[in-house]
Amino acid sequence: EVRLVESGGGLVQPGGSLRLSCTASGFTFMRYALSWVRQAPGKGLEWVSVETGNGDTTHYADSVKGRFTISRDKSNSTLYLRMTSLRAEDTALYYCAKHKGGGTYNFDSWGQGTLVTVSS
Amino acid sequence: QSALTQPPSASGSPGQSVTISCTGSNSDVGAYDYVSWYQKHPGKAPKLMIYEVTKRPSGVPDRFSGSKSGSTASLTVSGLKAEDEAEYYCSSYAGNNKYVLFGGGTKVTVL
Repeated sequence: EVRLVESGGGLVQPGGSLRLSCTASGFTFMRYALSWVRQAPGKGLEWVSVETGNGDTTHYADSVKGRFTISRDKSNSTLYLRMTSLRAEDTALYYCAKHKGGGTYNFDSWGQGTLVTVSS
Repeated sequence: QSALTQPPSASGSPGQSVTISCTGSNSDVGAYDYVSWYQKHPGKAPKLMIYEVTKRPSGVPDRFSGSKSGSTASLTVSGLKAEDEAEYYCSSYAGNNKYVLFGGGTKVTVL
């Protein structure tokens, strides 16, 4: 069974930094692309970032480009999202999502999310 | 404002059908057959219902179907059940620049 467990969220001041983690199990970690998707309070889903299965390609939404960095650690099957220069509009529930397969752009497994609140 | 446009709400009685639209452009929905639909209940993670316009993942009832015409994709839920009441989101691949775009979501109410 695929399992994705996010952690690392919390309250941070504007301009601050945070690192989110997503521990994966139940599938071959390096074989699948993994994304971060967020949902601000009362808003819809917003794709944030992706890293391909072999880790050689990353993409970012314009809203986070230059501030967020996605990475993964094969040794502990963990996906990370390093967030810097945080803004109030980054406040959201952040989900880790597994892509369905190679060359696909849909997410067949999701974690339960970790909440990030940016406020002074 | 979301990149893909969905109606904010839709409704139907049990047993009826409801269709949700998802309008994009010729840079996303119109350009690629990578439209997906997700069901989201409050407090729960999204669930993939349709991928690559028309395909259903294992375990998703065949009451759920997808289609696309030009830059508009649609999700139809037939034989509505109370458990279908949820928010539904469409998404589309949009090339390496924007990668994946989501719609704003449609709240489906079973009357």
